[in-house]
Amino acid sequence: GDSVTQMEGPVTLSEEAFLTINCTYTATGYPSLFWYVQYPGEGLQLLLKATKADDKGSNKGFEATYRKETTSFHLEKGSVQVSDSAVYFCAREGVPAGGSARQLTFGSGTQLTVLP
Amino acid sequence: EAGVTQSPTHLIKTRGQQATLRCSPISGHTSVYWYQQALGLGLQFLLWYDEGEERNRGNFPPRFSGRQFPNYSSELNVNALELEDSALYLCASSDRDRGFYEQYFGPGTRLTVT
Repeated sequence: GDSVTQMEGPVTLSEEAFLTINCTYTATGYPSLFWYVQYPGEGLQLLLKATKADDKGSNKGFEATYRKETTSFHLEKGSVQVSDSAVYFCAREGVPAGGSARQLTFGSGTQLTVLP
Repeated sequence: EAGVTQSPTHLIKTRGQQATLRCSPISGHTSVYWYQQALGLGLQFLLWYDEGEERNRGNFPPRFSGRQFPNYSSELNVNALELEDSALYLCASSDRDRGFYEQYFGPGTRLTVT
């Protein structure tokens, strides 16, 4: 079935550091890809998305490019802030292992802590 | 535009009891999704309702069930609660224009089973 593999955390960075969180997906079909963010004590928020190869999703200084050749959708930000501290989830649409209908499948999440 | 709302915020039950969780989607959204976020386990897909019908369910026992009402709000029921059902239950909604997979999440209901 379709799955997403996400970089293990936790990740700790100093303010203004460069961020990369790796995400790869199983290469079945041409899925839409997403990054969601979960701030402490809250539900998930859609951060950005890309719907086809070479698309670049961007929002709040975060970017991710849909790379079909490497089946990747890595999240990057040039200069992180303390307020970016959260858990980040990569997701793809598709049919998960053991499933029969399309749905969103999430990675395991990466905890990011940014220190002042 | 109001976001996805969930109630209650917190719910404490004892083992063997039943829990009912509620979700109101964003106005105009016809699909509602339920996820379980247990500590250390990430998000596990539970159920998907669209236009009042169950479209898909995840790998959970039948004691997890739900329904969607004509106004597209939804209810998740968990019967015969077990300690491992303690988790954050997230509801999300989506609409046909943006695609079913661009989901908007509520703040969750924290269920604690003692």
